[in-house]
Amino acid sequence: DAGVIQSPRHEVTEMGQEVTLRCKPISGHNSLFWYRQTMMRGLELLIYFNNNVPIDDSGMPEDRFSAKMPNASFSTLKIQPSEPRDSAVYFCASSLAQMGYGYTFGSGTRLTVV
Amino acid sequence: AQSVTQPDIHITVSEGASLELRCNYSYGATPYLFWYVQSPGQGLQLLLKYFSGDTLVQGIKGFEAEFKRSQSSFNLRKPSVHWSDAAEYFCAVGINDYKLSFGAGTTVTVRA
Repeated sequence: DAGVIQSPRHEVTEMGQEVTLRCKPISGHNSLFWYRQTMMRGLELLIYFNNNVPIDDSGMPEDRFSAKMPNASFSTLKIQPSEPRDSAVYFCASSLAQMGYGYTFGSGTRLTVV
Repeated sequence: AQSVTQPDIHITVSEGASLELRCNYSYGATPYLFWYVQSPGQGLQLLLKYFSGDTLVQGIKGFEAEFKRSQSSFNLRKPSVHWSDAAEYFCAVGINDYKLSFGAGTTVTVRA
């Protein structure tokens, strides 16, 4: 099992540009999460999908952020337009539905907006 | 509201010495509790979890944690640390069917 796969690992972009982060969850996992990690705010849940359906997007900062999960093996997180304050590490995680299993995290995408 | 507190921001320990990382939670019911480790440039890896049964939980890499309901704590321990244990450690509590609330993390430095 290759684990949760995220791409790219690093992204540097200019303010105002569109950024798309990608995630492939573990096969068979029906829950997918996008987290953001910053020094100031720690790990924040942005959005949660269950069976490809967005269940909780209350953590999405604002309308500039959007996430999709068109099928069970792929999800994207898009920021448009990007701003310097979006600079962070973005993690994707997947799990089986039951909380007791915990999450499996990807290696993250380090986003720098200049 | 449910929350997780890791009182120690940074701990330095000598290689071969024991390690204990503290975690306190605030939650109304018996929680799901987790410890994750994050090595530099990597994602978070699950070390161990607790949701019922024996209050002493064994995990990977030689770690264990003990759930103490009376103290609302879930402290992580390792009897003898290795240089490869230098990382950031996160305690987390499951606050509903799917959401984890993470502590701020404790950075562990291992000196030779």
